[in-house]
Amino acid sequence: SNELTQPPSVSVSPGETARITCSGDALPQQYTYWYQLKAGQAPVLVMYKDTERPSGIPYRFSASSSGTTVTLTISGVQAEDEADYYCQSADISGTYPFGGGTKLTVL
Amino acid sequence: QEQLVESGGGVVRPGRSLRLSCAGSGFTFSAYAMHWVRQAPGKGLEWVAVLAYDGSNQYYADSVKGRFTISRDNSNNTLYLQMNSLRAEDTAVYYCARDPTPFGGLYLGIDYWGQGTLVTVSS
Repeated sequence: SNELTQPPSVSVSPGETARITCSGDALPQQYTYWYQLKAGQAPVLVMYKDTERPSGIPYRFSASSSGTTVTLTISGVQAEDEADYYCQSADISGTYPFGGGTKLTVL
Repeated sequence: QEQLVESGGGVVRPGRSLRLSCAGSGFTFSAYAMHWVRQAPGKGLEWVAVLAYDGSNQYYADSVKGRFTISRDNSNNTLYLQMNSLRAEDTAVYYCARDPTPFGGLYLGIDYWGQGTLVTVSS
């Protein structure tokens, strides 16, 4: 199955560390990608190939992988990080499914 | 700079058809694979389809397979999504998005997105 599961919401206070998980049976064999989506804006790729950070993405964004779960970590969360975050995988079938998304709230 | 502009959205009755267009500019359109991604109201992102840089390969989400067709006209830097047998659950904002590779090699994610066009399927 290429279904990806994310928690619906994560809440943290400014300066704390936010961790958003993405789980899927096939993830050990597939790379994971992460997008940030803010209201009224186009999605932004914040992580690719599991742990690679695109140019322009702050260093506070990182990711790790363990078994069937990949975790996007945002260290020292800032108010501007409040957004919806989606994981995506590249399935061997040629499809690119997204997870259900996680709403990050900065308290 | 790179720009993607979708058009063709609107209100359509269930069972009817609609064709979306996406005009690319500011980059060599014919060198990149292209995707369609949609977001239903209040829902998450859903990947819809991908087309290789030369139109040689295409893949679809199960939810649209057999009803939607992705195509491109590289001479006019335009991507299309032909949507047939539309259903209420196809109601969404449809985004055109660029793959930074031609397709077939290592996927690197989506690097540019359009602003989307709204499709509403309703009687």
